[in-house]
Amino acid sequence: AQSVSQHNHHVILSEAASLELGCNYSYGGTVNLFWYVQYPGQHLQLLLKYFSGDPLVKGIKGFEAEFIKSKFSFNLRKPSVQWSDTAEYFCAVIPRGAGGYQKVTFGTGTKLQVIP
Amino acid sequence: EAGVAQSPRYKIIEKRQSVAFWCNPISGHATLYWYQQILGQGPKLLIQFQNNGVVDDSQLPKDRFSAERLKGVDSTLKIQPAKLEDSAVYLCASTGVPSGANVLTFGAGSRLTVL
Repeated sequence: AQSVSQHNHHVILSEAASLELGCNYSYGGTVNLFWYVQYPGQHLQLLLKYFSGDPLVKGIKGFEAEFIKSKFSFNLRKPSVQWSDTAEYFCAVIPRGAGGYQKVTFGTGTKLQVIP
Repeated sequence: EAGVAQSPRYKIIEKRQSVAFWCNPISGHATLYWYQQILGQGPKLLIQFQNNGVVDDSQLPKDRFSAERLKGVDSTLKIQPAKLEDSAVYLCASTGVPSGANVLTFGAGSRLTVL
């Protein structure tokens, strides 16, 4: 079974600082990777996803993530954070199986607080 | 398109009481998920439906939790009797592809407090 680790539980940054949130997964095969975000008072929504191709994927609001297969990582980055990026960020993985059911597994989340 | 609808948004009950949550997925989405999110943790899958059939309920505490999706559209998750540790947000999500690389669309969640 797969697992997802997010080592940063709570990150505090000042506006304009750069952001990198770590995500590592454990699974022996091919996976699809996601970052979801939950803004205060709102529901979980997709930030970006990686299925195949260019390992550097761009999402909404200036976020990007890089899939490094050798490191089993899918870290989320943003060059300059804004106060509105204050939210909780979840990494998720789903094995890319040969048909049939595959389970989505979420990490424990990272709370990002951006100070104006 | 309309989103995933959930109700109630908030529920407070005493332990040993029962509670039910309702979810209406996005129209046409065949796959429906119920997740439990305890404060400080990531969402944990409780049960997944494909149309009206159960695909995965391996983490559903079946002695107290039940879920159904009788007509393959909306779904109900029930807890009876509730325990203190059931305090959590119950998230419903849906997707239009049966398996593999799916993007989940989540509802706003139902926050349960068990006293």
